[in-house]
Amino acid sequence: AQTVTQSQPEMSVQEAETVTLSCTYDTSENNYYLFWYKQPPSRQMILVIRQEAYKQQNATENRFSVNFQKAAKSFSLKISDSQLGDTAMYFCAFTPYSGAGSYQLTFGKGTKLSVIP
Amino acid sequence: NAGVTQTPKFQVLKTGQSMTLQCAQDMNHNSMYWYRQDPGMGLRLIYYSASKGTTDKGEVPNGYNVSRLNKREFSLRLESAAPSQTSVYFCASSMVTVAKNIQYFGAGTRLSVL
Repeated sequence: AQTVTQSQPEMSVQEAETVTLSCTYDTSENNYYLFWYKQPPSRQMILVIRQEAYKQQNATENRFSVNFQKAAKSFSLKISDSQLGDTAMYFCAFTPYSGAGSYQLTFGKGTKLSVIP
Repeated sequence: NAGVTQTPKFQVLKTGQSMTLQCAQDMNHNSMYWYRQDPGMGLRLIYYSASKGTTDKGEVPNGYNVSRLNKREFSLRLESAAPSQTSVYFCASSMVTVAKNIQYFGAGTRLSVL
């Protein structure tokens, strides 16, 4: 079974600054996918970024980027130029490759990020 | 562009009552999922369905049943609700292709069992 660990229950960052959220995972799979989801106070789960394990290049989406270290089983999220709208819970999630099957997600417990004006 | 729609948004039940949470998606996705979110626990998979007529257990299936009658809809049923089932329930859907294995979530149902 896979496990996902987010060691930072809460973090805060000044507006316009950069913050990094940590995530580690444990798996015996070689091919898999990693995700960061954002959950603002509205409770809606929103995809932030997706990383394919077989790609060495780190994924980026505008102000969001990841540092994917496959050997260390680490997948951190960097938010640049933090904005008030980034205030949310952030969840790291893992799913193994399953061809044309379903992709069940295993989530970490989340990191609550507060952006301070 | 509705995406994934869950009903109801809120529900209060008494212990022993039954209810069905409804989920529908309009993105022509093959796979659908039910998760529960408890404080400090992240989201945990209850059941999932790869296609119409097929369902499989996830991490925490006890006390729940599901039904996938067609491609669009995936319902979650609590036959005899217990206080331990107080939670926020999320439905999600995704394609089954590798390139499109992103899950899209509904807005959630907050359920309280007294």
